Amino acid sequence: DTEVTQTPKHLVMGMTNKKSLKCEQHMGHRAMYWYKQKAKKPPELMFVYSYEKLSINESVPSRFSPECPNSSLLNLHLHALQPEDSALYLCASNPKAGGQNEKLFFGSGTQLSVL
Amino acid sequence: GDSVTQMEGPVTLSEEAFLTINCTYTATGYPSLFWYVQYPGEGLQLLLKATKADDKGSNKGFEATYRKETTSFHLEKGSVQVSDSAVYFCALSGTGGSYIPTFGRGTSLIVHP
Repeated sequence: DTEVTQTPKHLVMGMTNKKSLKCEQHMGHRAMYWYKQKAKKPPELMFVYSYEKLSINESVPSRFSPECPNSSLLNLHLHALQPEDSALYLCASNPKAGGQNEKLFFGSGTQLSVL
Repeated sequence: GDSVTQMEGPVTLSEEAFLTINCTYTATGYPSLFWYVQYPGEGLQLLLKATKADDKGSNKGFEATYRKETTSFHLEKGSVQVSDSAVYFCALSGTGGSYIPTFGRGTSLIVHP
């Protein structure tokens, strides 16, 4: 299994809703990432988990709450989002937490619309 | 800090034309360099990489050579196909002990039949 699987593929939510995005990989990778991508822009790093511990938080608002329950699973909990949070949310993994030469494996993303 | 500069798109070509997408970088130390491709509605996937100066990465007819003297990593393909239409991102990682990639802005490629 060489995939990063993200669910759901599409999500529409109101500003008062609570929802969660899910990401799974079964490649034994030790680093997992959340990125936010606006249309026609590069991905922007949000969070990095290394060996299931949060190692990087790029000053993301608290309405985004990451969780790494185990080495294969990464969640992003959403609460009280704003319309400007509408974007493609990408999960990625890396075989080694400190591997500069290693590529990132990306999921297909969750397209989020906040109404 | 590290940065990656890509040519602005879109790049529009006819099928079988030659492709060049320019990428230059600014970094301390010796980064690894990558090209990722993003097809519509999908995540990014690695196209090719090079980890040291003068290395050439290649995949699916695409090539890029790590040029330290010009700090460049230009992407080339001799004959593009309609199926190559996508957004291409140049990226670097590995300077200052960081393994977090720095992405360029992305260049959209549109190939017409």
